[in-house]
Amino acid sequence: EIVMTQSPASLSVSPGERVTLSCMASQSVGSDLAWYYQEPGQAPRLLFYGASIRTPSTPARFTAGGSGTDFTLSISGLRSGDFALYYCQQYNDWPTFGQGTRLEIK
Amino acid sequence: EVQLLESGGGLMQPGDSLTLSCAVSGFTFSNFGMAWVRRAPGKGLEWVSIISLSGGRTHYGDSVQGRFTISRDLSRNTLSLQMNSLRVDDTAVYYCARIPPSRFFYFIDVWGKGTTVTVSS
Repeated sequence: EIVMTQSPASLSVSPGERVTLSCMASQSVGSDLAWYYQEPGQAPRLLFYGASIRTPSTPARFTAGGSGTDFTLSISGLRSGDFALYYCQQYNDWPTFGQGTRLEIK
Repeated sequence: EVQLLESGGGLMQPGDSLTLSCAVSGFTFSNFGMAWVRRAPGKGLEWVSIISLSGGRTHYGDSVQGRFTISRDLSRNTLSLQMNSLRVDDTAVYYCARIPPSRFFYFIDVWGKGTTVTVSS
C-alpha cells in the first residue's frame, strides 16, 4: 500500500495570507494525485486531480502541483470558508489518502 | 442535479451484520465506477471498496477484505455495501462516492453526505 504523508498536520494562519500544504508519497505515483477539502460535518469535495488539474468549482486562488512523490497545494488570499481539512489521495495503485492537514484561523 | 443518498447506518454490536445503500440520481449510473469511503472518529479518510461500471470487478481494503461485499443494481440505480462480522473499529461515517470513468483506481468526483455506523458493545 502506498502511504501518503501530509504536512503539517495542522496550520494556524490569518485570513488574507497564503499557505502551502505538502503531500508526500512513499513511492512514485506519477501525477495520479487528487486534493480534497472537507468542512466539519460535510462531505469532502474534489479540488484537483491529475496533480494540478483544477475542477471547475475550485477558485483560482488555489493552485496545486508536483509529480512523483512530492506534491503541494497552495491557497492565496485565505477566506473564512477555506479553513477546513485538506486531504491528498493517490490513485496510482489501491487508492490511499493522507491523514489530512487542518487549516485553522489564527 | 447529481445526488448520492446513503441510508442504512445505525448502532450495531460486534459481530452483527448491516447493509448500507446508496440511491443515486442525476446521472447515468452505469457510466461510472462507484466506491465506499469511510472516516472513523478522529481519523482520516479510508477507501473501503470499489466496484466497476458493470459490477464485474471489485476491490476491497485490507481491513474489510472477506467481511464486506460491494454490489450495484443498475436497474434500481443503487449501490450497496453488505457488512458482516462488524468490529468496533468499523465505526465511521460511510460515504457513497462516484468515480469518473476511464480507470478503476481513480479519484472521487461526487460524494454523498454519509451515513453513520457505530459498532459498540
